Amino acid sequence: QVQLVQSGAEVKKPGASVKVSCKTSGYPFTSYAVNWVRQVPGLGLEWVGWISAYNGITHYAQKFQGRVTMTTDTPTSTAYMDLRSLTSDDTAVYYCARDRAMDTVSPDPLDGWGQGTLVTVSS
Amino acid sequence: DIQMTQSPSTLSASVGDRVTITCRASQNIYSWLAWYQQKPGKAPKLLIYKASILESGVPSRFSGSASGTEFTLTISSLQPDDFATYYCQQHYRYSTFGQGTKVEIK
Repeated sequence: QVQLVQSGAEVKKPGASVKVSCKTSGYPFTSYAVNWVRQVPGLGLEWVGWISAYNGITHYAQKFQGRVTMTTDTPTSTAYMDLRSLTSDDTAVYYCARDRAMDTVSPDPLDGWGQGTLVTVSS
Repeated sequence: DIQMTQSPSTLSASVGDRVTITCRASQNIYSWLAWYQQKPGKAPKLLIYKASILESGVPSRFSGSASGTEFTLTISSLQPDDFATYYCQQHYRYSTFGQGTKVEIK
């Protein structure tokens, strides 16, 4: 079955960077893009960006342009999200989620989700 | 950016009620809209995609419809398991979520 397993919780100081991993299994990794979505505790969902696991093409939400980098590692079927210059506003649960359709060129509905990674930014 | 305006933000209902949640897009997104259900401490779950297609395994009491830039999620007869927060998502141009609708027990 489709599984996305994320790395554990992180505590970072303002100005630091965080890298969250998302190890996938149960499907052909390069056939499905991965999205990153975040949720500030008690608030709604916010789309961060999308990466094709086939060719590494990315689409980032404008709000995160220049501060986020998404990558994939095919041999380990793992996706990564690197977020830099953290502030307290970045305190949130970060989810990775798989596009529902194969071979997409832009974000799709999300049919498989990781368990979430809490990133806390505090001095 | 495409904005998604979801309403109401909170909805109080009883088991057996018919419930309707609305999502309005700031521009034409055709049928590129999905609905999700999220329970506390859990990841969202896909319910409907392409505005009205039920994801496999989702109960038939859930349905979706569209009229122009307005989209509706309907639960025909609310069940105890349906008390949760619901989000719409456009994926016509990149992706944007609505603010969410919490369905709570009346």
